[in-house]
Amino acid sequence: GAVVSQHPSWVICKSGTSVKIECRSLDFQATTMFWYRQFPKQSLMLMATSNEGSKATYEQGVEKDKFLINHASLTLSTLTVTSAHPEDSSFYICSARDPASGSMDTQYFGPGTRLTVL
Amino acid sequence: AQKVTQAQTEISVVEKEDVTLDCVYETRDTTYYLFWYKQPPSGELVFLIRRNSFDEQNEISGRYSWNFQKSTSSFNFTITASQVVDSAVYFCALRGSQAGTALIFGKGTTLSVSS
Repeated sequence: GAVVSQHPSWVICKSGTSVKIECRSLDFQATTMFWYRQFPKQSLMLMATSNEGSKATYEQGVEKDKFLINHASLTLSTLTVTSAHPEDSSFYICSARDPASGSMDTQYFGPGTRLTVL
Repeated sequence: AQKVTQAQTEISVVEKEDVTLDCVYETRDTTYYLFWYKQPPSGELVFLIRRNSFDEQNEISGRYSWNFQKSTSSFNFTITASQVVDSAVYFCALRGSQAGTALIFGKGTTLSVSS
């Protein structure tokens, strides 16, 4: 099956710094990618939908100026957590939609990035 | 609005017991897709099954089976003869008919299988 990678797999940063997380589709071109956030012992919550070449669509309650999403190519979307604070510590998971899957609209999940803000 | 409810927060069983994880969904779409994922401690989601709303056949894959009941909007997951390696968080998810939309996840059920 298709593979989606995320980098880094984990990151520790100081409060106030910015962190960039990459999501790559390795063997297909993803016109749409999704970013989810998962707090400990909780479910995955959609943060935003990222379409290649256009601005991301953010879910209600997600600050777009804090969580910058860039989908500049068909294989890469980045999530930048700006001025990170301890409450931003979470597991961030991306998924990528394979347009070649047609009506199946198959989406593949990345392995996740664990962010810890000190 | 779309919603997925997994009422069981945690389940503990002993090895070789059968266990059923419940999933109830809400959607106004006539066409929709249901999923189950396993999330082991590593965090990476493992895809288990996808079911289309127009296919109500139950499915069996090894020790895993799924029961899809449109009449009760349920998509339950049964593990037969559970094993310690089955210990994980299991998520049920829903996606509507519109292409390019994200999955809506339930809150998950933590399954602990002891030896």
